[in-house]
Amino acid sequence: ETGVTQTPRHLVMGMTNKKSLKCEQHLGHNAMYWYKQSAKKPLELMFVYSLEERVENNSVPSRFSPECPNSSHLFLHLHTLQPEDSALYLCASSQGQDQPQHFGDGTRLSIL
Amino acid sequence: GESVGLHLPTLSVQEGDNSIINCAYSNSASDYFIWYKQESGKGPQFIIDIRSNMDKRQGQRVTVLLNKTVKHLSLQIAATQPGDSAVYFCAENNGDYKLSFGAGTTVTVRA
Repeated sequence: ETGVTQTPRHLVMGMTNKKSLKCEQHLGHNAMYWYKQSAKKPLELMFVYSLEERVENNSVPSRFSPECPNSSHLFLHLHTLQPEDSALYLCASSQGQDQPQHFGDGTRLSIL
Repeated sequence: GESVGLHLPTLSVQEGDNSIINCAYSNSASDYFIWYKQESGKGPQFIIDIRSNMDKRQGQRVTVLLNKTVKHLSLQIAATQPGDSAVYFCAENNGDYKLSFGAGTTVTVRA
């Protein structure tokens, strides 16, 4: 148990579908993150929320839309994705800046 | 731009031997470094961290060394076990929320 739970673990969707990824952290942290992990590439930071406010948006296409309703929950809403968006999407949380980030086990996303 | 990199993409080690995984970073402003372990089907797991005011930190069977002069970070694993087989990532931080990750080193433990 990492303290960060992601659902679903696997998701297959067509390019016209709308789906959402969910992340919940049980660590009492105040910052949450979305990362994309593709084969043969370093982890790419997508979004950062601190105290439910977005503090980082790394030039991510608008077909990815994050939502942070409270400090324990983070969503990534997906719409009209492309095949190159197939990857492992990882959620993490931390207690502030320059503190260890703790990761969930990810959602493996496949776009048909 | 700034980047974090690992010297070798793969490392094969005999069970019981010590492992050394290396990482070079280029951002001299980075002051916080983390090592992660990622097993198949799982997310990265925090192993150990070190701040720039230290040059060595020890955990359970692991030691991280930081050489700021040459911008080099290493992770030493003592008495490597089969459960240590995984991909290891170093990451650097320069005081904000962003962690920059290297591409990873795949460690395979031979029985």
